[in-house]
Amino acid sequence: NAGVTQTPKFQVLKTGQSMTLQCAQDMNHEYMSWYRQDPGMGLRLIHYSVGAGITDQGEVPNGYNVSRSTTEDFPLRLLSAAPSQTSVYFCASRETGAHEQYFGPGTRLTVT
Amino acid sequence: DAKTTQPPSMDCAEGRAANLPCNHSTISGNEYVYWYRQIHSQGPQYIIHGLKNNETNEMASLIITEDRKSSTLILPHATLRDTAVYYCIVREDNAGNMLTFGGGTRLMVKP
Repeated sequence: NAGVTQTPKFQVLKTGQSMTLQCAQDMNHEYMSWYRQDPGMGLRLIHYSVGAGITDQGEVPNGYNVSRSTTEDFPLRLLSAAPSQTSVYFCASRETGAHEQYFGPGTRLTVT
Repeated sequence: DAKTTQPPSMDCAEGRAANLPCNHSTISGNEYVYWYRQIHSQGPQYIIHGLKNNETNEMASLIITEDRKSSTLILPHATLRDTAVYYCIVREDNAGNMLTFGGGTRLMVKP
């Protein structure tokens, strides 16, 4: 299994641009989520999904959209990038009934 | 979710046991204690979790006090590769995916 994969690894955007961060998992996990981590801080939950077609907001959802059309994929869309969205973004997944979450390697985003 | 308190940093000599404390005095009866770590720039990695009893796996041991107000993560023989930020998280095991990460403890293992 590849586990949780994220693309791209690095991205630089200009203010106002939009883009999609990709996340995929091949473990057939129902639960998937997106976190952001600002320098020197812990992770904060942006959005999560408990299964295909079901998404919900986390702690810091503003400026981000998600959809979950398949079990495997959970893309995160930045609608109009702002410098405040400069961060490292982590995707995670979890099997139903399991305690352990698996995290991807992260996408480092810089908005200028 | 209950709040956790951890020391911001700790040092440990290579080969010695690393004991990382966590205070969670407001924990409720159905909340689990989880430990994750984050090695520089990588995604967090699950270590261990527990509810009431002490737990051990191939990575670490988790000691939870009888009143459940605090816990200790023990890395029995720390190596340089254990240098990381360790997060103690308290969470109900219900539907939803939220883990609330605080500041964690930055463990430095020194030769």
